[in-house]
Formats: sequence, structure tokens, C-alpha cells
Amino acid sequence: GEDVEQSLFLSVREGDSSVINCTYTDSSSTYLYWYKQEPGAGLQLLTYIFSNMDMKQDQRLTVLLNKKDKHLSLRIADTQTGDSAIYFCAERTGGSYIPTFGRGTSLIVHP
Amino acid sequence: GAGVSQSPRYKVTKRGQDVALRCDPISGHVSLYWYRQALGQGPEFLTYFNYEAQQDKSGLPNDRFSAERPEGSISTLTIQRTEQRDSAMYRCASSSYQETQYFGPGTRLLVL
Repeated sequence: GEDVEQSLFLSVREGDSSVINCTYTDSSSTYLYWYKQEPGAGLQLLTYIFSNMDMKQDQRLTVLLNKKDKHLSLRIADTQTGDSAIYFCAERTGGSYIPTFGRGTSLIVHP
Repeated sequence: GAGVSQSPRYKVTKRGQDVALRCDPISGHVSLYWYRQALGQGPEFLTYFNYEAQQDKSGLPNDRFSAERPEGSISTLTIQRTEQRDSAMYRCASSSYQETQYFGPGTRLLVL
């Protein structure tokens, strides 16, 4: 199976919260990332969390990490149409400099 | 520079031709990475450099693919004798020494 798994699609109404989930298999993962990909643009680093943290908040973004279950989530509060994009979860271990990416979750925000 | 830049943004070529894709990293970033991204997939690692030294090329699919970074700044990914299966988005990223990576806009390659 894949090392990093994400659901492919998420549809939310504007103003609601979005929660994008990710699971990974490598228990030695040290860094976990969320990237955002908009059409015609590169992958934009949104946020990252170290494995010794449970939560990280940055304005409308909240990252939750459950190491026991190897589960990472990204919550976007007050989702806006500009948040429509593909969100990639990625993980890497301290011994590797190369992150492994999931397939991405397409977030669709509708009025 | 303000961010990672890549050129060309789009490249259409005929099967059997060679292509060269360029990456200009963020100024001061010593690590540079190349990825390939197929439709509906996440980026897959190809190779990376620290300064001018190629540290890992384990992701290059075959010997038609090569990369260089002769002066430790701009990098070129070359694909020789292109095949239709090489069609993909090729992404470059750079970072401070082996730290968090920042991506460029990518080069969309289409091999006819």
C-alpha cells in the first residue's frame, strides 16, 4: 500500500470548516507537511509539524497529529472559495531529506 | 530571487527528441531537488543536489534521465530520446541545507 494516504475529494460550503485527513505508515516520520497546489502554480508550503508536537495553529489553519494512529489532519476554519485547491500531505524521517507525498485531496468550496 | 523559477513552463516535443528543463533556486539555497508529478498523483522524487554535488539519483527512472548543477545554483534536468510515458509535470524545489523544501511552478512536458 501507499506510504501516505489521503482521500481524493472533499466538498464544503463556504464559511464552514474543512478537515483534510492523512495517514502514514512510517513510525519514524519526523516531519509532516501540508502543501497547497493551485492551478498553474507550484506547491505552496502551508505548514509543517514536528513529530514531537500534537498540534500547531497558524491563523485559520490547525494541524493535529496523532502519532499512535499515524494520523495527520489539517483543519481550515471559515473556508473560502480561495481555499479551493489540492492539498498534499507529506512526511519524511530525520534520516532522509526526501519527503514522501500523498496523492492529494481536492478541496472544493461551494457557495 | 523571490522564489524558485522554472523554464520553460510548457514544453511540447516529439518522441525521440531531447529536452532540457531548467530550475533556478531561491538565492542562497544550497539544496535543490527534482520531482516528477503525474496527473492525480503526488510528486515523486527524482534526484537532489547539495551545492554542485549530486547526492542521490535513485529516483531517476532510467539512464535517459540526467541532471546537473555545475556551479551550485541553476540546475538542468535532461531527458534524452523522450518517450510518451515521460509526459508529466516536472517540479523543482530548493531548501536551506536539507531542510524544508520550497517548490517552483513546474514544467509541463508533453511528448507526442
